[in-house]
Amino acid sequence: DAGITQSPRYKITETGRQVTLMCHQTWSHSYMFWYRQDLGHGLRLIYYSAAADITDKGEVPDGYVVSRSKTENFPLTLESATRSQTSVYFCASWDRGNTDTQYFGPGTRLTVL
Amino acid sequence: KNQVEQSPQSLIILEGKNCTLQCNYTVSPFSNLRWYKQDTGRGPVSLTIMTFSENTKSNGRYTATLDADTKQSSLHITASQLSDSASYICVVSAGTNAGKSTFGDGTTLTVKP
Repeated sequence: DAGITQSPRYKITETGRQVTLMCHQTWSHSYMFWYRQDLGHGLRLIYYSAAADITDKGEVPDGYVVSRSKTENFPLTLESATRSQTSVYFCASWDRGNTDTQYFGPGTRLTVL
Repeated sequence: KNQVEQSPQSLIILEGKNCTLQCNYTVSPFSNLRWYKQDTGRGPVSLTIMTFSENTKSNGRYTATLDADTKQSSLHITASQLSDSASYICVVSAGTNAGKSTFGDGTTLTVKP
């Protein structure tokens, strides 16, 4: 299926555990992003990537690690999960050269106990 | 600090009525302004994108306006439908850096029959 997918859609973990959220896009967009959305608040940028092997910090990068070995994948890792990282995480890709539109995945709801 | 403020925070209207959502921003240097619709439990979907030189953009029953001088934008929804119930998010991008977008907290619209 064409588009952008995230997995898992729901995840419950415990404080201190490592968690990896996956993001996959089929369009070969060069830019990809990770956001978190807390209840009643706007999306905040965690990390973004301009191309494979190129990543940069966003507004709230602490406690997160990203990698991008392939254009289509952009995993987000919480090295040692904390309760404050309970949130909904959205991955997005950006069709910069054509429609100039950002496409979002369906989100991963993460709960840290 | 770049900021995007949306009003009202929430709005309830009857089906068939029109409504207007507001977005004020202090983002510099201005690159573009986007409106997104986010249904409950889903990722945001792009509605419109406007650059500095554009003052209006339509997408079906959605019409966005931009006043770059006063740094204000509005999203007008005509003949509302139940499916318009969602959160509407204003996003303003600064310069050419893909990571420099500021998201508003959104306006939650509820359309009642």
